[in-house]
Amino acid sequence: DQQVKQNSPSLSVQEGRISILNCDYTNSMFDYFLWYKKYPAEGPTFLISISSIKDKNEDGRFTVFLNKSAKHLSLHIVPSQPGDSAVYFCAASAREWETSGSRLTFGEGTQLTVNP
Amino acid sequence: DSGVTQTPKHLITATGQRVTLRCSPRSGDLSVYWYQQSLDQGLQFLIQYYNGEERAKGNILERFSAQQFPDLHSELNLSSLELGDSALYFCASSVETLTEAFFGQGTRLTVV
Repeated sequence: DQQVKQNSPSLSVQEGRISILNCDYTNSMFDYFLWYKKYPAEGPTFLISISSIKDKNEDGRFTVFLNKSAKHLSLHIVPSQPGDSAVYFCAASAREWETSGSRLTFGEGTQLTVNP
Repeated sequence: DSGVTQTPKHLITATGQRVTLRCSPRSGDLSVYWYQQSLDQGLQFLIQYYNGEERAKGNILERFSAQQFPDLHSELNLSSLELGDSALYFCASSVETLTEAFFGQGTRLTVV
């Protein structure tokens, strides 16, 4: 049961253009969403997050949009730079009310390549 | 540098053996998470601890166990190792539940 899906395994864009990475989820209990960037054999690097009470969060070149009714979120990178080339993971979290615990459920990742 | 430290970075061991992976969270973070990334697979949640208490559990094998100590560092113990346990094991920490989690560089475990 893949609760978080990134349907595009790869995306290629030109330097300076916009990169749009998409993510869909099925669990309506998710209330916190995050994007991570990852290089091979390294740990994921946190990029940006959004709470379910918001529909947009912006941090520099990165903006995350959340559409709760569609259970969809996206990450926009503007302008894209060659150094942005990496695998991008979206993740979602829900509070486990019985224990006050949580877990991040990750998508499969999208390989972004930004061409000079 | 995320501030999360994992040791060792690499570990090679034989089937049937037991190993311990160590994680030091970021200063001030009370929550520690463990994840496994096998070849060609995504990040799979194993377990969460918060201030010494287990708070959430994923599909963690019975051969695996973890704990968080009073100084908030955590250890993941893997026993009766099998070839299929070869993977990257990541630790992450966060201040609270439902906040940003920051990952360490991982421990690459190879079981031969």
